[in-house]
Amino acid sequence: ETGVTQTPRHLVMGMTNKKSLKCEQHLGHNAMYWYKQSAKKPLELMFVYNFKEQTENNSVPSRFSPECPNSSHLFLHLHTLQPEDSALYLCASSQDVHPAVNSPLHFGNGTRLTVT
Amino acid sequence: AQKITQTQPGMFVQEKEAVTLDCTYDTSDPSYGLFWYKQPSSGEMIFLIYQGSYDQQNATEGRYSLNFQKARKSANLVISASQLGDSAMYFCAMREGPKAGNNRKLIWGLGTSLAVNP
Repeated sequence: ETGVTQTPRHLVMGMTNKKSLKCEQHLGHNAMYWYKQSAKKPLELMFVYNFKEQTENNSVPSRFSPECPNSSHLFLHLHTLQPEDSALYLCASSQDVHPAVNSPLHFGNGTRLTVT
Repeated sequence: AQKITQTQPGMFVQEKEAVTLDCTYDTSDPSYGLFWYKQPSSGEMIFLIYQGSYDQQNATEGRYSLNFQKARKSANLVISASQLGDSAMYFCAMREGPKAGNNRKLIWGLGTSLAVNP
């Protein structure tokens, strides 16, 4: 298996539930990212990890809790979410956390999250 | 001010014809890179093509080419011989060099929805 894999593809959860999104990359990259994609907004960078260490948290509410046990796996733990958190959550990876100008990000298929 | 502007929310093209998707950008950093991504309804962001600010020639990748006009700060994506499978959202993104001081994050446009008609 190659590339970046995200599970589940779709998730419906109530505001009191706890769930987790999973991301796995098979590219040997050192940096992993969580993005949120909402309608009519640019992609929002949520978290950045470099060699398992979190290097960025872009003012994300604490109801989103990332975990990176190793350079290949990234989780996003969700609890007490709000309906406005409904969005497509994309995981991405890159060779380095401060990529060269010409280095693209590699994305997974995303998890479509609906909070009811 | 928006750093990446995609002025076309939606575009239609007839199968086998060429289509141009617009992207203008704003940066004062002399070193930057421009990317185009395709996002089908499945959700995955697929990297298509890259253009560097110092590249002398326009980038090409198969049916994709970039019309890079540096003085006008535009990097339009040209898709030749459109196929039904080209129907998707297309995003333009920019990474600035270290002088911009934003940790080389990708800056994204809002995207253009392309529909290819049979």
